Amino acid sequence: AQSVTQLGSHVSVSEGALVLLRCNYSSSVPPYLFWYVQYPNQGLQLLLKYTTGATLVKGINGFEAEFKKSETSFHLTKPSAHMSDAAEYFCAVRLYNQGGKLIFGQGTELSVKP
Amino acid sequence: SAVISQKPSRDICQRGTSLTIQCQVDSQVTMMFWYRQQPGQSLTLIATANQGSEATYESGFVIDKFPISRPNLTFSTLTVSNMSPEDSSIYLCSVPLGDSLTGELFFGEGSRLTVL
Repeated sequence: AQSVTQLGSHVSVSEGALVLLRCNYSSSVPPYLFWYVQYPNQGLQLLLKYTTGATLVKGINGFEAEFKKSETSFHLTKPSAHMSDAAEYFCAVRLYNQGGKLIFGQGTELSVKP
Repeated sequence: SAVISQKPSRDICQRGTSLTIQCQVDSQVTMMFWYRQQPGQSLTLIATANQGSEATYESGFVIDKFPISRPNLTFSTLTVSNMSPEDSSIYLCSVPLGDSLTGELFFGEGSRLTVL
């Protein structure tokens, strides 16, 4: 079955520290991968996406992610955390061979300590 | 991006009643997806609503409980029938941007339902 697994339901970092949110996927077809962010009491916003081509993709707010096929991973990173990064982050895979449905991971809550 | 308007944005409902959520998009889209986000949880796909065909439901979701209409390319409704407290969730509609099968999904702000 195709799925997305996010390691760690909650990650806490200090302001200015590296942010690393882990995502592994399982897909029988080439994956189309996404990271979304959800700020408290707000809707979902796309951070970045991997479709084809360059495996290192840059998104908004200084985030980036690297697609590693050999590791079936798509980890999200940011060199220096800011207080405003505190939110819920969701990794997702789009299954074009299943009607284009988007399957989400469990989510990771990021806390940033001053 | 797209503009998605969902109504109602929030509601408090009584057990056993039904509520219809509307989703209006500012452009024509073939595919539309309905998701549920239970408190503190991730998003779960309820069904795919393509114009001109019956909605396709995911495992665990049935048409009798979540009937969907898709009368045209810019509008859809999701009804939550015979509600119980377990149906308290945020319900979101979404549409693809760019490629319809591989592009990102754009989400509405959601409809937050509380069932008493």
